[in-house]
Amino acid sequence: QKEVEQDPGPLSVPEGAIVSLNCTYSNSAFQYFMWYRQYSRKGPELLMYTYSSGNKEDGRFTAQVDKSSKYISLFIRDSQPSDSATYLCAFYGGSQGNLIFGKGTKLSVKP
Amino acid sequence: EAGVVQSPRYKIIEKKQPVAFWCNPISGHNTLYWYLQNLGQGPELLIRYENEEAVDDSQLPKDRFSAERLKGVDSTLKIQPAELGDSAVYLCASSPTTGDATQYFGPGTRLLVL
Repeated sequence: QKEVEQDPGPLSVPEGAIVSLNCTYSNSAFQYFMWYRQYSRKGPELLMYTYSSGNKEDGRFTAQVDKSSKYISLFIRDSQPSDSATYLCAFYGGSQGNLIFGKGTKLSVKP
Repeated sequence: EAGVVQSPRYKIIEKKQPVAFWCNPISGHNTLYWYLQNLGQGPELLIRYENEEAVDDSQLPKDRFSAERLKGVDSTLKIQPAELGDSAVYLCASSPTTGDATQYFGPGTRLLVL
């Protein structure tokens, strides 16, 4: 079983749609659950993160963590063409001091 | 506040040639990371520095890769000799201190080995 699983997509939605992005993980030691956004030919940009379980909201973005199911989600409301990017989930905690990334989901929001 | 700076942004070399990448982290950030990102994949750690000390280089192919962080600020990653399979994006990231999960990435250096 891979440590992190993320569907690479691509995912194409119309402008204004609600987008749901997900990752599963296997390492119970992870404590921080991160979402990065990466535009083409750019570095990953930290979008938001959650410590332990629960939800976190920031504008149109909501991050959810379900530690019992080892499942995290990122929801984007009222999606915009400018949201078109690759979204990477990342995990931190346990014995390593670096982030463990998913493969990324490529999102395209059509006007 | 300036972000993580990397140079060059793009590099094309022939196999067996050497290449070096440079990174300047966010001012005051003690922890510096070098990640490798292959096409369609997430970044994977190559080496992590705490100040000038390499505390995790377990994923660095030491036969051809080397890195240094003199004076605990800027860092250089070198490949010698480069192989075709080294074509990828090399990302530098920094975080304020040890144990800080928030890492901030530079734009990356896109390497193509011919």
